[in-house]
Amino acid sequence: GQQLNQSPQSMFIQEGEDVSMNCTSSSIFNTWLWYKQDPGEGPVLLIALYKAGELTSNGRLTAQFGITRKDSFLNISASIPSDVGIYFCAGQFLSGSNYKLTFGKGTLLTVNP
Amino acid sequence: KAGVTQTPRYLIKTRGQQVTLSCSPISGHRSVSWYQQTPGQGLQFLFEYFSETQRNKGNFPGRFSGRQFSNSRSEMNVSTLELGDSALYLCASSLASGAFANEQFFGPGTRLTVL
Repeated sequence: GQQLNQSPQSMFIQEGEDVSMNCTSSSIFNTWLWYKQDPGEGPVLLIALYKAGELTSNGRLTAQFGITRKDSFLNISASIPSDVGIYFCAGQFLSGSNYKLTFGKGTLLTVNP
Repeated sequence: KAGVTQTPRYLIKTRGQQVTLSCSPISGHRSVSWYQQTPGQGLQFLFEYFSETQRNKGNFPGRFSGRQFSNSRSEMNVSTLELGDSALYLCASSLASGAFANEQFFGPGTRLTVL
């Protein structure tokens, strides 16, 4: 089945620093999604990407859909303490009735104030 | 507008028992998907229900089953619980199915512990 490799597994940064994380796949996806999960909560959608090469921003967050359709990255600029959490990438491939979301294993972000 | 609600939030069971989890989607949403989240495997798709029909299924054993009611509320059942079933079970709802799955909104999850 499709698998996503998300890296890094964890990051420890200082407030104000920029952050970058990425996901790669052995298969192509039609859609790439980035979620954030806070403790005790479900994931919340941050950014959705629908076309190869697409670059989309949401405030301090920027994500790109790789040209090969097999990778995506998420950047967070000028990090703040509330950015702490687990960030997940997810890919969706549409083929007939098969449209399951495949998730990466997450990047745990810690921001030191 | 109320979000996705899941009950119970926490559950402790013993091996061999069965468990039923409930999910109420956002009002108007007709698709409900279930996921299992564990530290080792991450988020894994269980199944999706739309208009009371299972539309898609992940790679889980038959002990995991679900259903959806006419009001779009969904239940997930796990029979003959195993230690490895301990996980956070997340439910996500969306307006439609298929191509619109990216418009999913997740609930807070049910934390199941199997002793």
